[in-house]
Amino acid sequence: DTGVSQDPRHKITKRGQNVTFRCDPISEHNRLYWYRQTLGQGPEFLTYFQNEAQLEKSRLLSDRFSAERPKGSFSTLEIQRTEQGDSAMYLCASSLADRGLTGANVLTFGAGSRLTVL
Amino acid sequence: GDSVTQMEGPVTLSEEAFLTINCTYTATGYPSLFWYVQYPGEGLQLLLKATKADDKGSNKGFEATYRKETTSFHLEKGSVQVSDSAVYFCALILYGNNRLAFGKGNQVVVIP
Repeated sequence: DTGVSQDPRHKITKRGQNVTFRCDPISEHNRLYWYRQTLGQGPEFLTYFQNEAQLEKSRLLSDRFSAERPKGSFSTLEIQRTEQGDSAMYLCASSLADRGLTGANVLTFGAGSRLTVL
Repeated sequence: GDSVTQMEGPVTLSEEAFLTINCTYTATGYPSLFWYVQYPGEGLQLLLKATKADDKGSNKGFEATYRKETTSFHLEKGSVQVSDSAVYFCALILYGNNRLAFGKGNQVVVIP
């Protein structure tokens, strides 16, 4: 098991361009999450999938953002018509849904994809 | 809403010093509490967790006790090493919820 992989690690783009990030979760994990982290802040939740179903989206996820997990394995996060305010680290995490009494999911994070919009 | 507050500012200390990072939370229910660590160039890693009041999470010499009466989960280590230099995030998740709420993080710099 190689953990959660994200690609690319760093993307520099011009304003108005589209970008796509990919996340490969831990293979046996059925939940996948996207977070965004800006400088000096903690990660902020964007969206999450259970298998291929996108079950929750944050208000931070504007119409320019779309996430997919077509076969319940890897996921992509696309940002259309990028703006300078989109510059951030995009983190992917995965977990196995906890069926125990605690209900506490333990998330495993990838190293992140850093987006710089010029 | 549910939130986590960490003490302001970076923490700089000498090797073998005692480390404390304060974390308090606000939650409508009974959250599980976590500390994550982010080493330079790496992803967030779970450091420790506690799922109910009075639980103590511990790992790599770090400890944190879930204090319901003070809604706190302060991180401590008795003797830090240079390799402990990293950013530390406190986080919570409510039972049955699907999102972690993070604090802003604290940069810890340990000087030899």
